[in-house]
Amino acid sequence: GENVEQHPSTLSVQEGDSAVIKCTYSDSASNYFPWYKQELGKRPQLIIDIRSNVGEKKDQRIAVTLNKTAKHFSLHITETQPEDSAVYFCAVNTGGFKTIFGAGTRLFVKA
Amino acid sequence: EADIYQTPRYLVIGTGKKITLECSQTMGHDKMYWYQQDPGMELHLIHYSYGVNSTEKGDLSSESTVSRIRTEHFPLTLESARPSHTSQYLCASSESGLVLNEQFFGPGTRLTVL
Repeated sequence: GENVEQHPSTLSVQEGDSAVIKCTYSDSASNYFPWYKQELGKRPQLIIDIRSNVGEKKDQRIAVTLNKTAKHFSLHITETQPEDSAVYFCAVNTGGFKTIFGAGTRLFVKA
Repeated sequence: EADIYQTPRYLVIGTGKKITLECSQTMGHDKMYWYQQDPGMELHLIHYSYGVNSTEKGDLSSESTVSRIRTEHFPLTLESARPSHTSQYLCASSESGLVLNEQFFGPGTRLTVL
């Protein structure tokens, strides 16, 4: 079955710096790659997603890149702000019903 | 406003009790899911449903059961709660069809079994 690994598990950056979180997956048939943000005590919410026919997608300070050959995709947050502090989950879907989530990255943005 | 609702939000019960966690959505979605998550940790899929009268077990072994009699309602039942069931339970839904889309999560039920 699909296996998703997410790194790092914890990331601390200074406000204004960039943050990068990387995920690798095992199933080459995977074709949908969403990223979710979960603030403390809140529900996970989608912040950006990418499909397998696209290499990069950007939404303001957030971008996702996908390398299908290497089977990895990354979340990039630029000009980080304290409100970006949260747990971020990558996820992978192979076209089946189930979405497999990474273990999460706890991001701390220090003011 | 379309949303996903979960009740109760917090529940503290004794070992051996039977409980039902409620999940309802007004999103008009066919697909629904239950996840178990220790706060801030990995999400584990325990049940999912394609639609009415469809239920499947997820990857994480669970002693809970689910039912899907109505499209908007997907309750989860624990017949005999144990301390190992202490966790947060998140319900989610997503659109129907072959195109993959985001999952929308409910606020969660935080369960403590004493």
